[in-house]
Amino acid sequence: EDQVTQSPEALRLQEGESSSLNCSYTVSGLRGLFWYRQDPGKGPEFLFTLYSAGEEKEKERLKATLTKKESFLHITAPKPEDSATYLCAVLMTGFQKLVFGTGTRLLVSP
Amino acid sequence: DGGITQSPKYLFRKEGQNVTLSCEQNLNHDAMYWYRQDPGQGLRLIYYSQIVNDFQKGDIAEGYSVSREKKESFPLTVTSAQKNPTAFYLCASSQGAQPQHFGDGTRLSIL
Repeated sequence: EDQVTQSPEALRLQEGESSSLNCSYTVSGLRGLFWYRQDPGKGPEFLFTLYSAGEEKEKERLKATLTKKESFLHITAPKPEDSATYLCAVLMTGFQKLVFGTGTRLLVSP
Repeated sequence: DGGITQSPKYLFRKEGQNVTLSCEQNLNHDAMYWYRQDPGQGLRLIYYSQIVNDFQKGDIAEGYSVSREKKESFPLTVTSAQKNPTAFYLCASSQGAQPQHFGDGTRLSIL
């Protein structure tokens, strides 16, 4: 069964304390992997797309990486405004629909 | 600014009532989607449409209906057959393998 699993479910960091979020997937064929940020009461906001193993993308304090079985979202020296739920989604070959993980709730304390 | 507009932001449904959620996009995307989000669960696909006048059921289509008469619009009707409609509903659009862009959602509650 096609599945996307994110860990941890929740993560609490102190400001400046770097960490990583994990997204592991078991799908028949990967067409693309997407990272989104979602604030409470809002729709997901697109962050990154990764298409092939070994690919990396960076934006400010965030860096996304991809292997054949998982993706990591690295957060370097986070700030309180980075607090949000981070969602991972996989687009499979031959399909138009995304399979979402349940997300990681990140809280960064000052 | 290009984007997706969902309305209303909050909606209340009485027992036995059908309600319609609006979704409009000006991104010129071919594909549009409806998701349901419940606490502690990932986004679940209700319906999607890859082209005007065509749509397919997603994973949880029972109790919902859609139409796609215009490229820009993809309204979702929550029918009285949906027994647990309380949730956050999200509309999205995309083009090809490009990322889906989302609206800011409609929160539906039962009176």
